Amino acid sequence: KAGVTQTPRYLIKTRGQQVTLSCSPISGHRSVSWYQQTPGQGLQFLFEYFSETQRNKGNFPGRFSGRQFSNSRSEMNVSTLELGDSALYLCASSLGAGTVQETQYFGPGTRLLVL
Amino acid sequence: AQSVTQLDSHVSVSEGTPVLLRCNYSSSYSPSLFWYVQHPNKGLQLLLKYTSAATLVKGINGFEAEFKKSETSFHLTKPSAHMSDAAEYFCVVSEGTGGFKTIFGAGTRLFVKA
Repeated sequence: KAGVTQTPRYLIKTRGQQVTLSCSPISGHRSVSWYQQTPGQGLQFLFEYFSETQRNKGNFPGRFSGRQFSNSRSEMNVSTLELGDSALYLCASSLGAGTVQETQYFGPGTRLLVL
Repeated sequence: AQSVTQLDSHVSVSEGTPVLLRCNYSSSYSPSLFWYVQHPNKGLQLLLKYTSAATLVKGINGFEAEFKKSETSFHLTKPSAHMSDAAEYFCVVSEGTGGFKTIFGAGTRLFVKA
């Protein structure tokens, strides 16, 4: 089975622009979660999508949004980019039963640099 | 509220010696606990997870962790370190109340000396 894929792998943007990141989950997985990883804040949960609905959300401003398509692929959008948005954005997929025992499988990440 | 504390930001061991990475957690529910490893420029890989079935959990690459409820700890150990173990390790707690809520520890960077 193919793993979680994320595109693009690297991205450079300037302040004020917006960006869209894409994540394709493992086949059969219906839940997709997004995380931001920075040296200062570590790994922080952004949101989780299941069946095209946002099921859980972390503590990020409304500039961060996402969506999920009927094939479970997910996109994350960041509008009005700030320098502090420079980070590694990780996507993780899981079966989606919503239980605490569920394992998440992570993609390689998209590294975003905001200048 | 849930939280995770990894007690050491860096750990250095010699090849062939034991590894101990410490993790304490707090949770209002009966959480699941995970350890993930991240090698440079690579994604996160699951090492092992605790889901209340057994307190001693064995994972990949010789790692294991013991869940101690009385101490709210979930320390990761390995009897003999290998150079390829050098990476960053994350302890994770998940409460998953109706969805998927996951908290990562700050990470412990493991250095392995030859």
